Amino acid sequence: AQTVTQSQPEMSVQEAETVTLSCTYDTSENNYYLFWYKQPPSRQMILVIRQEAYKQQNATENRFSVNFQKAAKSFSLKISDSQLGDTAMYFCAFMRITGTASKLTFGTGTRLQVTL
Amino acid sequence: EAQVTQNPRYLITVTGKKLTVTCSQNMNHEYMSWYRQDPGLGLRQIYYSMNVEVTDKGDVPEGYKVSRKEKRNFPLILESPSPNQTSLYFCASSLLGRGDTQYFGPGTRLTVL
Repeated sequence: AQTVTQSQPEMSVQEAETVTLSCTYDTSENNYYLFWYKQPPSRQMILVIRQEAYKQQNATENRFSVNFQKAAKSFSLKISDSQLGDTAMYFCAFMRITGTASKLTFGTGTRLQVTL
Repeated sequence: EAQVTQNPRYLITVTGKKLTVTCSQNMNHEYMSWYRQDPGLGLRQIYYSMNVEVTDKGDVPEGYKVSRKEKRNFPLILESPSPNQTSLYFCASSLLGRGDTQYFGPGTRLTVL
């Protein structure tokens, strides 16, 4: 079974600084997808970034980028120029592809607080 | 607006009283899924459906039922709720392609007394 580990339950960063959230996963699959979701206090789950395992290039979305290390099974999220609105719980998720089923396995989350 | 809706958003009930949480999507997605979120455990999949009349168990299906009679709707049924089902529930949907992004509803906060 796949597992996703987020070893940092809580983190704090000052506004305008850069922070990196870590995520590791365990799988024997070769083809899969990885996601970072953001959950602000509203509880809505919002997609931040998506990475395809067969692509070596790291995904980026504006201030958000990932460092995908397939051999190490590591998928960290870097937030640059942190803003107060980035305060949220962040979940790393692994998507296994089995036939046509797309199963998401989530980590336990990292609570990020952005301070002035 | 493309969205996944859930109702109710908040529900307090008592042990044993049957309830249904509705989920509807307007994106013509084949795949729909239910998750529960608990502190320190992240989100765990309860049930999923790949199309009308096709459903299967996720990681934590005990105590839950689902049905998929129409493509847009995927209700979650708790026939005899218990306090350990107190949780935050999310419905999600996506296309049935490989690796397609799942879009989440706003969540339903359920408390079983």
